[in-house]
Amino acid sequence: DSGVTQTPKHLITATGQRVTLRCSPRSGDLSVYWYQQSLDQGLQFLIQYYNGEERAKGNILERFSAQQFPDLHSELNLSSLELGDSALYFCASSPPGIADTQYFGPGTRLTVL
Amino acid sequence: GENVEQHPSTLSVQEGDSAVIKCTYSDSASNYFPWYKQELGKRPQLIIDIRSNVGEKKDQRIAVTLNKTAKHFSLHITETQPEDSAVYFCAASKGDKIIFGKGTRLHILP
Repeated sequence: DSGVTQTPKHLITATGQRVTLRCSPRSGDLSVYWYQQSLDQGLQFLIQYYNGEERAKGNILERFSAQQFPDLHSELNLSSLELGDSALYFCASSPPGIADTQYFGPGTRLTVL
Repeated sequence: GENVEQHPSTLSVQEGDSAVIKCTYSDSASNYFPWYKQELGKRPQLIIDIRSNVGEKKDQRIAVTLNKTAKHFSLHITETQPEDSAVYFCAASKGDKIIFGKGTRLHILP
């Protein structure tokens, strides 16, 4: 157990819908990262937040957005869902001062029907 | 742009033999190189990492080597066991963003 929690574990929804994925970082970690992993694919970096502010952006679609709240938990919002958005979504957190070392949560499996 | 190439994409080795996975990176400013192991349906787990001021690091059966001049780094697993079967990802970071390789699926044959 890495100490990073994600909810829900599984999510099944329809095309065109909107969903919110939630992540709580390890105690003391200020950075949160979001990744998308499609079937048999690598990890695609989406976005990073540090202490409530956006720090870096990867290949995140305009239909996707994220935020980090004062209590440091983060939410990833996916809207106008398409079949191709079906994937595992991981969040990771890293400790202050060792920003590179990331600890991953268990992931949310999103299925868009 | 920044890129991390990982080879091979699939690797099968006999139990007890060694496995080597290689990665190259494009951004010479990268200074942190972690390796993650991901079992089917599970989260990636950090197994070993190396920073640019070190050429080699070892942890029991796992070792990582780094050649900054050539911009490549490798994961070595010795005396492989069935539980080593998984997908392994390399990554390169310079602090602001981490780039992952596409992964290597390692099969340990009985």
